[in-house]
Amino acid sequence: GAVVSQHPSWVICKSGTSVKIECRSLDFQATTMFWYRQFPKQSLMLMATSNEGSKATYEQGVEKDKFLINHASLTLSTLTVTSAHPEDSSFYICSARGEREGLNEQYFGPGTRLTVT
Amino acid sequence: GQNIDQPTEMTATEGAIVQINCTYQTSGFNGLFWYQQHAGEAPTFLSYNVLDGLEEKGRFSSFLSRSKGYSYLLLKELQMKDSASYLCATMDSNYQLIWGAGTKLIIKP
Repeated sequence: GAVVSQHPSWVICKSGTSVKIECRSLDFQATTMFWYRQFPKQSLMLMATSNEGSKATYEQGVEKDKFLINHASLTLSTLTVTSAHPEDSSFYICSARGEREGLNEQYFGPGTRLTVT
Repeated sequence: GQNIDQPTEMTATEGAIVQINCTYQTSGFNGLFWYQQHAGEAPTFLSYNVLDGLEEKGRFSSFLSRSKGYSYLLLKELQMKDSASYLCATMDSNYQLIWGAGTKLIIKP
């Protein structure tokens, strides 16, 4: 199957700083990428959907100015958590979908664990 | 509205069979997915059903009844490594996944 990578796998940052997480589709062109957040013992929560070359669509309650998403190419999307606070500590997971792979296929990255101190 | 229900936690014995149920109410339906998620890891795809009936894949099978808004994941010959959370998710009319809260499956020797 298709492979999606995320970098970094884990990151610790200080409150007030910004953190960038990369999501790459390694062997297919991802026309759509999804960013999820998962708190302990909870299900995945969709934060935003991004299509290559256009602005991301954010879910209700997700601050677009705080969680900056850039999907500049068909293989790379980035999520930047700006002015991070301890409550932003979570497991961030991206998934990607390509036209050729079909609208029903989503491939998940391994996730990035963010800890804000 | 959209809602997916599945049990919070289940316990089963190594070598046995367990069935994890999922009921759903969604706006638009483009299929139902089951994912396995080990602690600290991203979900991994197990199965996809879009038509009624049973899909079998090795030790895992998934069933769907669209008229009842119901699915189950059946795991046979349980192994300790099957201890994980199992997530039920439906795909809505916009091809977005709607996730259940997951069922934590505990396997005992």
